[in-house]
Amino acid sequence: AQTVTQSQPEMSVQEAETVTLSCTYDTSESNYYLFWYKQPPSRQMILVIRQEAYKQQNATENRFSVNFQKAAKSFSLKISDSQLGDTAMYFCAFMGYGQNFVFGPGTRLSVLP
Amino acid sequence: NAGVMQNPRHLVRRRGQEARLRCSPMKGHSHVYWYRQLPEEGLKFMVYLQKENIIDESGMPKERFSAEFPKEGPSILRIQQVVRGDSAAYFCASSPAPNPDSPLHFGNGTRLTVT
Repeated sequence: AQTVTQSQPEMSVQEAETVTLSCTYDTSESNYYLFWYKQPPSRQMILVIRQEAYKQQNATENRFSVNFQKAAKSFSLKISDSQLGDTAMYFCAFMGYGQNFVFGPGTRLSVLP
Repeated sequence: NAGVMQNPRHLVRRRGQEARLRCSPMKGHSHVYWYRQLPEEGLKFMVYLQKENIIDESGMPKERFSAEFPKEGPSILRIQQVVRGDSAAYFCASSPAPNPDSPLHFGNGTRLTVT
C-alpha cells in the first residue's frame, strides 16, 4: 500500500519570502503521479501542481514549483514570493494509475505580514 | 460549468439518527470519490463509485456506512445510527476518468456534527 508522509505539521513564512514544504512517499510502482493540493480556510480543495513520475523535469506553476527526487521518493513544494492568500493547509497526494488518491496528513502554512 | 456540488454544507444530527450527504459531480464526470477529514487531519479515502457501481469501498466502515451513485441523480453517502465519532467534514470529488490525467475536482464538503 502507498503511504504519504508530511513531516512538518505547521510552518510559517514572512510575506514575499520563499518556503519549502516537504513530502515523502512510499510505493513499489514505477509509474505514478504526485500532487499538491491547497485547502484554505474556506475548506475548498484546490489543485496547486502535479508531477508525472516518468518526467524528470520538475513541474512549475507560476510561484509554485516542485523538487521531485524519484530515487529518494521525495516531492517538496516551493512557494516563492509568498502572499497572504497562500495561507492554507497543503496536502501532498499520490496516485498510481487507475487507483485512488492517497493524501498526506497536511502542513499548515501561515504567511505572516 | 458548475463545479462539484455538495449539500448540505452543514448537517447536525443527534446520536442514533441517519445522515444523508449528497454529491452532484461536475457535468460529464462519471467517477465519484468520497473522503472524510477529521479535525486537524488529512483526507482519508472512503469509497470510489462509478455510475451504478461501487468500484472500491475499502476505506468505508463495514457497518452503518453505505454509498450509492445511481444512474440518475446525485451520489449519496448514508450514515445510519450516527455516533459522535462520525463528526467530520465529508468531501466528494469527481473526475471524468479514473486516471491521473484527470485530476480530482472537489466539492466544498459537508460538515457533519453529531450531538
